[in-house]
Amino acid sequence: GDSVTQMEGPVTLSEEAFLTINCTYTATGYPSLFWYVQYPGEGLQLLLKATKADDKGSNKGFEATYRKETTSFHLEKGSVQVSDSAVYFCAPPPKGRRALTFGSGTRLQVQP
Amino acid sequence: DVKVTQSSRYLVKRTGEKVFLECVQDMDHENMFWYRQDPGLGLRLIYFSYDVKMKEKGDIPEGYSVSREKKERFSLILESASTNQTSMYLCASSLPGQGAKAFFGQGTRLTVV
Repeated sequence: GDSVTQMEGPVTLSEEAFLTINCTYTATGYPSLFWYVQYPGEGLQLLLKATKADDKGSNKGFEATYRKETTSFHLEKGSVQVSDSAVYFCAPPPKGRRALTFGSGTRLQVQP
Repeated sequence: DVKVTQSSRYLVKRTGEKVFLECVQDMDHENMFWYRQDPGLGLRLIYFSYDVKMKEKGDIPEGYSVSREKKERFSLILESASTNQTSMYLCASSLPGQGAKAFFGQGTRLTVV
């Protein structure tokens, strides 16, 4: 089956710094991955989806990419804000009648 | 706006009590899920349901049961609460075939004393 390993946090950055969070995914079949975000005190919400190697997802200034040579997915943002402080989860798409399973989450703390 | 509502944000129960966590969604979704979230362990799937009266065990079903009598409501039951069930519980729902786009409730932080 598929397994996912997510970069451990916490990640602490200053405002306007560059962010990259990694998720390694051993996929059977065509690779795609979803990124969810959990803001403090809230449930998770879908941030964006990365599909094939040349197809990047983007939302709220975040971009999701896939690097075939390392089978790794990356969530990136060129200039983070304090409001981006949250926990970010990667999740491979479920197969058949299965639920989403998540990486362990990466906590991001952005300091002003 | 789509909504998944969990009945309580915070709950404190005693060891041995029977605990019900309720989740309601207003999106007519077939799939509903219960996860627990613990520091360092991420989200772990307890149970899910893909139709009324249907249920499937997730990764950590021990000590829990579920009920799905109506499409919009999915209940998580702790038959006899224990301190190791102190956790954040998250409910989610989705359409079939689009399991990746799940909508989450705000969570219930349960403390068992």
